[in-house]
Amino acid sequence: QKEVEQNSGPLSVPEGAIASLNCTYSDRGSQSFFWYRQYSGKSPELIMFIYSNGDKEDGRFTAQLNKASQYVSLLIRDSQPSDSATYLCASSGSARQLTFGSGTQLTVLP
Amino acid sequence: DVKVTQSSRYLVKRTGEKVFLECVQDMDHENMFWYRQDPGLGLRLIYFSYDVKMKEKGDIPEGYSVSREKKERFSLILESASTNQTSMYLCASGTGFGEKLFFGSGTQLSVL
Repeated sequence: QKEVEQNSGPLSVPEGAIASLNCTYSDRGSQSFFWYRQYSGKSPELIMFIYSNGDKEDGRFTAQLNKASQYVSLLIRDSQPSDSATYLCASSGSARQLTFGSGTQLTVLP
Repeated sequence: DVKVTQSSRYLVKRTGEKVFLECVQDMDHENMFWYRQDPGLGLRLIYFSYDVKMKEKGDIPEGYSVSREKKERFSLILESASTNQTSMYLCASGTGFGEKLFFGSGTQLSVL
């Protein structure tokens, strides 16, 4: 069973702090990794993807991938209350479908 | 703007009823997916399709079937609805292998 594991949280950080969201995966054949954000009552939306080891930055968001450790993370700098949401980690390997984690609920406190 | 449209936002059905959930995308994507989302369980793949008239089982296909007669439309069918199929159903589309997915707004199905 291919699995993607996330700490379900909830994770609370103060406004302006760095939020760190973590994800591990079991399928060593996984090649692509995605972070989706899901606001309460809404559908998931893609915010970051990463294919190569290392860091990938996009504005306040940084995705980090370590394939040797089978570990993916998402850092949110200068966290804002509008970042409060559930963050879903997903991976894909040779198949066409994504495997999702159960999500981490993030609350940014004003 | 990519648009994935699901026909109903909320749906209430009785056990034993046949239920159709419709999904239409306007981006000419080859791949379409049906997920269900339950608290604490995340997104679980029911079925997906990578071409017209093609379908493949996901992780939890039991009790469901699908139809893809046209590229833009992917339907999920509950042949005989049961209470354990009460859930949020999300349709998604995308291109290529494991590429970015675009989700519809979801259908909250309640089976009484």
